[in-house]
Amino acid sequence: TQLLEQSPQFLSIQEGENLTVYCNSSSVFSSLQWYRQEPGEGPVLLVTVVTGGEVKKLKRLTFQFGDARKDSSLHITAAQTGDTGLYLCAGALATDSWGKLQFGAGTQVVVTP
Amino acid sequence: KAGVTQTPRYLIKTRGQQVTLSCSPISGHRSVSWYQQTPGQGLQFLFEYFSETQRNKGNFPGRFSGRQFSNSRSEMNVSTLELGDSALYLCASSSSGSAARLNEQFFGPGTRLTVL
Repeated sequence: TQLLEQSPQFLSIQEGENLTVYCNSSSVFSSLQWYRQEPGEGPVLLVTVVTGGEVKKLKRLTFQFGDARKDSSLHITAAQTGDTGLYLCAGALATDSWGKLQFGAGTQVVVTP
Repeated sequence: KAGVTQTPRYLIKTRGQQVTLSCSPISGHRSVSWYQQTPGQGLQFLFEYFSETQRNKGNFPGRFSGRQFSNSRSEMNVSTLELGDSALYLCASSSSGSAARLNEQFFGPGTRLTVL
């Protein structure tokens, strides 16, 4: 059982549309990261959020950390084909050492021209 | 600054054999974590090393082991391979300085292990 539940599992949209991916848990995290992974490669870190209620923007990507630090969302505005990939949320529990991240199962995003 | 490197990238073994995977972290990073990624289970934490000491361990059998050297490079070993060990094995390094509180991990490209 994964501590972080991601939804949806799969998302197919056309270029120019918006999308939102959710990451939920009943546990509190000291920090939460979002990664994007392409086939055959390792996950690439997109953003880290540490403060409850925090909102971070990275060009067309907006990340939000829940007030209680149990959930997060990733919103992409005007998606492009280059946004295609597996999006993973990962969190560090306060009770774990710094080297251990709990991962969600991932959301496969496909953006078509 | 060079990223995390892992060797080999691909490996094919047969059941019962053992395998050693290598990871070189980002220069200056002293923490190295290992994960197993499979389609069914996603990314699962194996273990983490810091300054040559195992600091945390996931729920994997004793066939999975690792070590870290004084230069922070790390290896993981899987003995008596089983078909279910087929997976992408990912290594990640993280900073031990003030940025460590962010728990940011930087991943290598992984080693794709296939057990026949």
